[in-house]
Amino acid sequence: AQKVTQAQTEISVVEKEDVTLDCVYETRDTTYYLFWYKQPPSGELVFLIRRNSFDEQNEISGRYSWNFQKSTSSFNFTITASQVVDSAVYFCALSDLYGNNRLAFGKGNQVVVIP
Amino acid sequence: GAVVSQHPSWVICKSGTSVKIECRSLDFQATTMFWYRQFPKQSLMLMATSNEGSKATYEQGVEKDKFLINHASLTLSTLTVTSAHPEDSSFYICSAAPLAVNYEQYFGPGTRLTVT
Repeated sequence: AQKVTQAQTEISVVEKEDVTLDCVYETRDTTYYLFWYKQPPSGELVFLIRRNSFDEQNEISGRYSWNFQKSTSSFNFTITASQVVDSAVYFCALSDLYGNNRLAFGKGNQVVVIP
Repeated sequence: GAVVSQHPSWVICKSGTSVKIECRSLDFQATTMFWYRQFPKQSLMLMATSNEGSKATYEQGVEKDKFLINHASLTLSTLTVTSAHPEDSSFYICSAAPLAVNYEQYFGPGTRLTVT
């Protein structure tokens, strides 16, 4: 069955510090997709990244970077030089064919950036 | 592109009444739409998967007679919470999957339901 684990619930950092959010997933499928979403206090989910299981390249987008390691079933997310606007809940999610492409979400990481 | 709207954005209703939430894909057609529920400080939990023209598939533990889902067209799905109770108060989010793009879902802004 699909499962996504985000162990840390709330993380507080001082502005300009880096923060890494861990995501570990379980799936029976060889073809799957991993996602990260940001949910600010307004509630609307903001798409950050999608990765398919065949693309293990790490990615950087501005201050955001992602590390995908199939060997450890992890898809970790780092915010570099955090800013107050980064304060939000971040969700990792998994979609695979066994789940009929339904998304399974982790519990989320509440990131609080202290000015 | 790929905009999904929800209406209303928030609603307050009295216990025992029904409330309908609409989810629309504005600039694409969606064979499949998903409905999620999110309680405060919790994750999104999938309630049901709705396919255009067919009955919705509900996740375990979700009462299909209480949460009526209709997906009458490729751009509209509705969720009706029947005989609402205070414990149904939650944030309801829909997403829409474009035709022939299995892995993609676009999320609506959510509807905050408060039952008094």
